[in-house]
Amino acid sequence: AQRVTQPEKLLSVFKGAPVELKCNYSYSGSPELFWYVQYSRQRLQLLLRHISRESIKGFTADLNKGETSFHLKKPFAQEEDSAMYYCALRTGANNLFFGTGTRLTVIP
Amino acid sequence: DAGVIQSPRHEVTEMGQEVTLRCKPISGHDYLFWYRQTMMRGLELLIYFNNNVPIDDSGMPEDRFSAKMPNASFSTLKIQPSEPRDSAVYFCASSGARGGQPQHFGDGTRLSIL
Repeated sequence: AQRVTQPEKLLSVFKGAPVELKCNYSYSGSPELFWYVQYSRQRLQLLLRHISRESIKGFTADLNKGETSFHLKKPFAQEEDSAMYYCALRTGANNLFFGTGTRLTVIP
Repeated sequence: DAGVIQSPRHEVTEMGQEVTLRCKPISGHDYLFWYRQTMMRGLELLIYFNNNVPIDDSGMPEDRFSAKMPNASFSTLKIQPSEPRDSAVYFCASSGARGGQPQHFGDGTRLSIL
């Protein structure tokens, strides 16, 4: 069965410090991973997807099939990065399995 | 495009009452999803539709929950009778048919059952 694990419910870092939000997945097929973000008072929105291999708002995420991980990283956190982050796994069709989310707080 | 539109934004009602949540997907999207968000369990997929047909409702918690999509531009999620443990934020999302299309979420409905 598929599963997405985000081990940290809460994560606090100081402004300018590196940040890493962890995501591990379990899936027997070929995974497709996404990171979604929900800023305060805004709707959930796509941040990035592994197939694009892009950097969005300074964030990057690399799919590591050996470790079954898709950690989200940013070298220098900004206050506006404070939000709820969800890792998601797409399995066939178009449905997504989400992790429980990590609330990131960037301390000024 | 206004994106996915959900109504109401907030709903407070007493247990035992019927609750109906509404969703208008993005025009042209073939998939529609209903999610429930709680502190303990995060985002859970309840049900999703493809071309107005329910494909997977295994996430629907109980028979008290039902969802319909009578046409391509409208879907409802109904809870009858409602219970306090149903209190959560309910999100609707839609996506296109091509593989890898991201899901676009609505603002959610914050439901409180007293």
